[in-house]
Amino acid sequence: GAGVSQSPSNKVTEKGKDVELRCDPISGHTALYWYRQRLGQGLEFLIYFQGNSAPDKSGLPSDRFSAERTGESVSTLTIQRTQQEDSAVYLCASSFKASSGGTNEQFFGPGTRLTVL
Amino acid sequence: KQEVTQIPAALSVPEGENLVLNCSFTDSAIYNLQWFRQDPGKGLTSLLLIQSSQREQTSGRLNASLDKSSGRSTLYIAASQPGDSATYLCAVTGAGSYQLTFGKGTKLSVIP
Repeated sequence: GAGVSQSPSNKVTEKGKDVELRCDPISGHTALYWYRQRLGQGLEFLIYFQGNSAPDKSGLPSDRFSAERTGESVSTLTIQRTQQEDSAVYLCASSFKASSGGTNEQFFGPGTRLTVL
Repeated sequence: KQEVTQIPAALSVPEGENLVLNCSFTDSAIYNLQWFRQDPGKGLTSLLLIQSSQREQTSGRLNASLDKSSGRSTLYIAASQPGDSATYLCAVTGAGSYQLTFGKGTKLSVIP
């Protein structure tokens, strides 16, 4: 079946502009995660959605970052007033709900490469 | 705070060699450990997942072990091939949480 998809694959924007990144999880996966990978650094957790529960936003680096998810499908990550340090690859992952006895194995999309000039 | 370390940062081996990649984590209270490979400009491909109650998992030429009490995991690759060249990432899920904490990866080059 189809994997996790993300769009756009590349985004170049000017400092101060807002951007929206999109993620389509694997069908049937109730959990969705956003991570960020900056050049030369490890992946950092940003936010986690599980069904209709309140999202875990503990990884968001500032209030310029926000994310939404429509039911158990598409998610958008929005970065307002982008800064050069926001340049990174933004990766989305999905999984079955861990507490239902699953393994919580996460499957990743190809990422969106964001460049802030 | 959980920290994941991968050693070495880079490794170059001739084709056909067996090799071991190392991963260590500071908090042994984990739910599971996952190994991924990342090719340049691409997303992550899940290779193996070991649950906290397991000691090892195997898939083809790959074998991953987990020693939770000592905070260590190894990824063994048998009979390496040039197509194995990639960055290998280790990540753990903490007990009671669901996000992954990643190491910085080991960049593997298999020389034909």
